[in-house]
Amino acid sequence: DTAVSQTPKYLVTQMGNDKSIKCEQNLGHDTMYWYKQDSKKFLKIMFSYNNKELIINETVPNRFSPKSPDKAHLNLHINSLELGDSAVYFCASSPGGDTHYGYTFGSGTRLTVV
Amino acid sequence: QKEVEQDPGPLSVPEGAIVSLNCTYSNSAFQYFMWYRQYSRKGPELLMYTYSSGNKEDGRFTAQVDKSSKYISLFIRDSQPSDSATYLCAMTNTNAGKSTFGDGTTLTVKP
Repeated sequence: DTAVSQTPKYLVTQMGNDKSIKCEQNLGHDTMYWYKQDSKKFLKIMFSYNNKELIINETVPNRFSPKSPDKAHLNLHINSLELGDSAVYFCASSPGGDTHYGYTFGSGTRLTVV
Repeated sequence: QKEVEQDPGPLSVPEGAIVSLNCTYSNSAFQYFMWYRQYSRKGPELLMYTYSSGNKEDGRFTAQVDKSSKYISLFIRDSQPSDSATYLCAMTNTNAGKSTFGDGTTLTVKP
């Protein structure tokens, strides 16, 4: 049973398109996150939600809009995709609002914009 | 300057070697320290987390924190080819709501 699952695993799309990535966790965690990992493996937080409420919005372009319909789901919609959006996007979850005990990550969505 | 700096690597060692992976940080508010392992095309998985200075051991892995020097390390004893992965350090402080990651060190253990 996958703890944090993301779909799709791979996404190849043209510049200017709109796409969505979905994430679900079955761990009962309160907090979910979106992280972006660039080609050099650097992980940077984009958003976090605690029990459906947006907690962190880390200077991400407005083209990125997260949505959390319930605490087990966090989706990411990206409008007008640009070449620089190509990266691996990870969903993660943690118990409570603190990250003392670390995250559980999904397996990632590899986005390629051509 | 980045808050967390990680030895860049890559690192290549023979099987059975002792591996040392290191990070330094500048934010003295960091209190909790984590190491993640990331296999190719997979998500990071939490290996160890520690709080405050000192050592924590888990099997072949030892995490070490030196808060006075703002330096953390992960030691891997008797390294195995299955340890070949990218290792990411991460740290956080109370109520931060997020972890700050190092850039990762890619380790290859050759049989």
